Amino acid sequence: NAGVTQTPKFRILKIGQSMTLQCAQDMNHNYMYWYRQDPGMGLKLIYYSVGAGITDKGEVPNGYNVSRSTTEDFPLRLELAAPSQTSVYFCASRPSVGAGANVLTFGAGSRLTVL
Amino acid sequence: AQSVTQLGSHVSVSEGALVLLRCNYSSSVPPYLFWYVQYPNQGLQLLLKYTSAATLVKGINGFEAEFKKSETSFHLTKPSAHMSDAAEYFCAVSDAQGAQKLVFGQGTRLTINP
Repeated sequence: NAGVTQTPKFRILKIGQSMTLQCAQDMNHNYMYWYRQDPGMGLKLIYYSVGAGITDKGEVPNGYNVSRSTTEDFPLRLELAAPSQTSVYFCASRPSVGAGANVLTFGAGSRLTVL
Repeated sequence: AQSVTQLGSHVSVSEGALVLLRCNYSSSVPPYLFWYVQYPNQGLQLLLKYTSAATLVKGINGFEAEFKKSETSFHLTKPSAHMSDAAEYFCAVSDAQGAQKLVFGQGTRLTINP
């Protein structure tokens, strides 16, 4: 049982480049989330999804896009990368029902540097 | 809107001493409250959660937290610190309905002195 898998673990981008951070979970969770973590700032929600085909903005969505074509995958797209997007990105998921319905399972993170 | 404030971005205690990490929350609806731990270069792991059952919640690794509605607090404690407790700790709040989006505090880095 792999849980939540994020790729890549590390990436360096030049200003203006684009890239996609991949997130996949094998737990059949309906809810998936993308957070960014900056030093001293905690985690901020970028986008979330309550099921395949449904996404919504979080607290800091500008400069990002997401899609949810399957239950398993929730990629995060960065268009026209900027230095302000240098951060560690975490994907998380949770089930919609059951004992674990309010507990997030996190991936190991993707560290992105924009130069 | 919900929010979380963690008092102290860095806490240092001696091995064997009491650990106390402070968390205050703001929520217009009955909250769910969580403590997560992050070890270096890893994702976050759940320590414990409060979801309107018992106000004193016990978690993993000997940690516990008490929900105090009158003080809007959810402080994390451990009677005796161990070197392996060195990590960053995050308090988080969500509402009980819908997408239950977690709102995190800024984190507290715990250092254990030998």
